[in-house]
Amino acid sequence: AQSVTQLGSHVSVSEGALVLLRCNYSSSVPPYLFWYVQYPNQGLQLLLKYTSAATLVKGINDFEAEFKKSETSFHLTKPSAHMSDAAEYFCAVSVAGGTSYGKLTFGQGTILTVHP
Amino acid sequence: ETGVTQTPRHLVMGMTNKKSLKCEQHLGHNAMYWYKQSAKKPLELMFVYNFKEQTENNSVPSRFSPECPNSSHLFLHLHTLQPEDSALYLCASSQNGAGYYTDTQYFGPGTRLTVL
Repeated sequence: AQSVTQLGSHVSVSEGALVLLRCNYSSSVPPYLFWYVQYPNQGLQLLLKYTSAATLVKGINDFEAEFKKSETSFHLTKPSAHMSDAAEYFCAVSVAGGTSYGKLTFGQGTILTVHP
Repeated sequence: ETGVTQTPRHLVMGMTNKKSLKCEQHLGHNAMYWYKQSAKKPLELMFVYNFKEQTENNSVPSRFSPECPNSSHLFLHLHTLQPEDSALYLCASSQNGAGYYTDTQYFGPGTRLTVL
């Protein structure tokens, strides 16, 4: 079965600083990886996804993530944080085989705080 | 209405009550999902419906009973719940049917359930 680990349940950055949210996955078959964001009192919204094309994936709001198979990682970055980026971020994995075929498995989430 | 809507947004119920959560997707999708989001736990997949047929029950207690009358509507019927069932219940949909491992899932805003 696949799993996702998000390192750091809380990350705090200054406005304008680099955002780095870490995600490592475990899977015995090739993974497909997603980052979702959840703003307060809202559902989850897709930021970006990796589906085995380019390893560097660009998403909405200047977020991007790089799939690194050797490191089993899919870290999310943004060059310059904005106050509106404050939210909870979830990394998720889906696989094309095994008993978990097509199911999304989520990490525990990382709450991003942006201070002025 | 656009996207995925859920009603009610908040629900307080006693352990002996019976209530229902409603989800509607306006995206023409073929798969619908119920998730449970508890504090400090990853999102838990509860049920999956694929073209109106239930294809996944993730060992959910029978006090939760899903219903999918058509591809656009999904209900979660609740009875004799426990306080530990208090959580945010999220509905999601995806386009091509469950099992398309690269499909984006679109989430509703959730129903915040409190069981007294």
